[in-house]
Amino acid sequence: EAGVAQSPRYKIIEKRQSVAFWCNPISGHATLYWYQQILGQGPKLLIQFQNNGVVDDSQLPKDRFSAERLKGVDSTLKIQPAKLEDSAVYLCASSQGVVAQFFGPGTRLTVL
Amino acid sequence: GENVEQHPSTLSVQEGDSAVIKCTYSDSASNYFPWYKQELGKGPQLIIDIRSNVGEKKDQRIAVTLNKTAKHFSLHITETQPEDSAVYFCAASLGGGADGLTFGKGTHLIIQP
Repeated sequence: EAGVAQSPRYKIIEKRQSVAFWCNPISGHATLYWYQQILGQGPKLLIQFQNNGVVDDSQLPKDRFSAERLKGVDSTLKIQPAKLEDSAVYLCASSQGVVAQFFGPGTRLTVL
Repeated sequence: GENVEQHPSTLSVQEGDSAVIKCTYSDSASNYFPWYKQELGKGPQLIIDIRSNVGEKKDQRIAVTLNKTAKHFSLHITETQPEDSAVYFCAASLGGGADGLTFGKGTHLIIQP
């Protein structure tokens, strides 16, 4: 069974630029999560989707971050404009029902 | 919201010895507690999880214990091997695992040969 796919794996941008990350969850998984992992810390939930609806975006900085999950499968996370403190690994995870969450390899973002 | 504390931040053990990592959580309504292993440059990998209706769960060399009264849970790794070296994260969530996870800050486990 294929795992969670993410792209790109690495991205370097200047502050105030925009960037987008893509995630393809495990086939059949209705729930998709985006987490932010700052170096030396545990992942922090940004947003949770159930199919194509948002379940929890309470920790998403909505002035600069946005996410969508059209058709309830793939998802994109966008940052516009980026700040230095957005440098982190962005992890996508998926799950089906109350079964465990499985993570992708992440996208490492560096903002200069 | 939920807060998860994890200790120690770094743990060094001799190969073959046991390792124990401890976590506490703040929200008594949390009912799902997974443990993840993260190697450099990779995403977190689930190694074991436990739900609040169970006090202990074991899978080969790995075991997890949960004390709901004290609101803490622990990861036990026996007969450690070099490939166990990684960063380990505990997490907690409501909704039996369907909700987002709140993670601890991680423990860097070093296995000395």
